[in-house]
Amino acid sequence: DAMVIQNPRYQVTQFGKPVTLSCSQTLNHNVMYWYQQKSSQAPKLLFHYYDKDFNNEADTPDNFQSRRPNTSFCFLDIRSPGLGDAAMYLCATSRAQGSTDTQYFGPGTRLTVL
Amino acid sequence: GQNIDQPTEMTATEGAIVQINCTYQTSGFNGLFWYQQHAGEAPTFLSYNVLDGLEEKGRFSSFLSRSKGYSYLLLKELQMKDSASYLCAALDSNYQLIWGAGTKLIIKP
Repeated sequence: DAMVIQNPRYQVTQFGKPVTLSCSQTLNHNVMYWYQQKSSQAPKLLFHYYDKDFNNEADTPDNFQSRRPNTSFCFLDIRSPGLGDAAMYLCATSRAQGSTDTQYFGPGTRLTVL
Repeated sequence: GQNIDQPTEMTATEGAIVQINCTYQTSGFNGLFWYQQHAGEAPTFLSYNVLDGLEEKGRFSSFLSRSKGYSYLLLKELQMKDSASYLCAALDSNYQLIWGAGTKLIIKP
């Protein structure tokens, strides 16, 4: 089945230790998104890519970076995780940018920072 | 600013009907989405409305009034598996999704 896959599902890291979360998709969608979601809060958009064009949200901390080496894969790098970065990280895709296309989500990676 | 309001939590009984309301204020409007999110899982798409009126899809229906900046999700014949958070998200003039914090729906037997 075509889908959005995230690995790992659960990630534990230590305060200040860099961590990378990965996302892949078999939907062949042009747009990929990274969201941060804390408990009982709305998903917060961190980045999105239209093809390889990178779009950083204005209030995304510099501690977060992203890479999209090809259409299928996207990575979220957290350079120096703090306790406040513990959250669920959701990857999503949509067919086109600037459209009403539905966003499809992966299962998420729950990040714990010790 | 842009804002989505929806109740934090609702409780309903198995087999009953529940209506989850959402009001939105956005810069421009290109439609409204409802997503279901079970605890610890990713949101899954339920519905999209861009025209006024009611869209029915099985046990779930979604309503939109653009003039009032208002939508609701109607769930009929509630089942225990419907216990989840329901997220309302509006698409603004830049086609950015503005998300609500979600309504946690608790179903009791």
